[in-house]
Amino acid sequence: DGGITQSPKYLFRKEGQNVTLSCEQNLNHDAMYWYRQDPGQGLRLIYYSQIVNDFQKGDIAEGYSVSREKKESFPLTVTSAQKNPTAFYLCASSRGRDNYGYTFGSGTRLTVV
Amino acid sequence: KQEVTQIPAALSVPEGENLVLNCSFTDSAIYNLQWFRQDPGKGLTSLLLIQSSQREQTSGRLNASLDKSSGRSTLYIAASQPGDSATYLCAPRLRAGKSTFGDGTTLTVKP
Repeated sequence: DGGITQSPKYLFRKEGQNVTLSCEQNLNHDAMYWYRQDPGQGLRLIYYSQIVNDFQKGDIAEGYSVSREKKESFPLTVTSAQKNPTAFYLCASSRGRDNYGYTFGSGTRLTVV
Repeated sequence: KQEVTQIPAALSVPEGENLVLNCSFTDSAIYNLQWFRQDPGKGLTSLLLIQSSQREQTSGRLNASLDKSSGRSTLYIAASQPGDSATYLCAPRLRAGKSTFGDGTTLTVKP
């Protein structure tokens, strides 16, 4: 079955550490996205990529970095510069054209300890 | 900047009731609007996608309407069931990378 796989499901980070969240899709979608969700709030866009080797900052990119070396993969690194990283992180993909909808992964919950 | 408002923030109804969830947005130049369901601690599941040229979309007991000119969409749930309990989010899309999500309506359907 086609879909988006996010791993790990739960992740714990110590202060000052960088951590990388994985997102893999086998839907042959061109575009991929990373969102952050805080309790009781909607989703905020971190980064998005419409094509391999290209990506754009979203609304809250500070303290995060991404890469898009393969069409199937769009990993997100939460760096030590992100001061409040505890949140639920969601990866999504779409066919890349504006009239298509999003498909989401199951999320990664990151907690700073 | 697109702003999305979902009303009510929370809703509790008895099983079997028909209900309407509301979504309003400030920039009407959208390509489409997508409704999602989110269960606690889970990802988003797409329910309905309405293109800007469409007025409504239906899937089973769900019907979503779109009035682009007034910046409004509604999600109608017929004959609600306890399994419908979840948070419902709407997301109008301006262009690539520019979907804005509402904070959602949390629905509880009581048996």
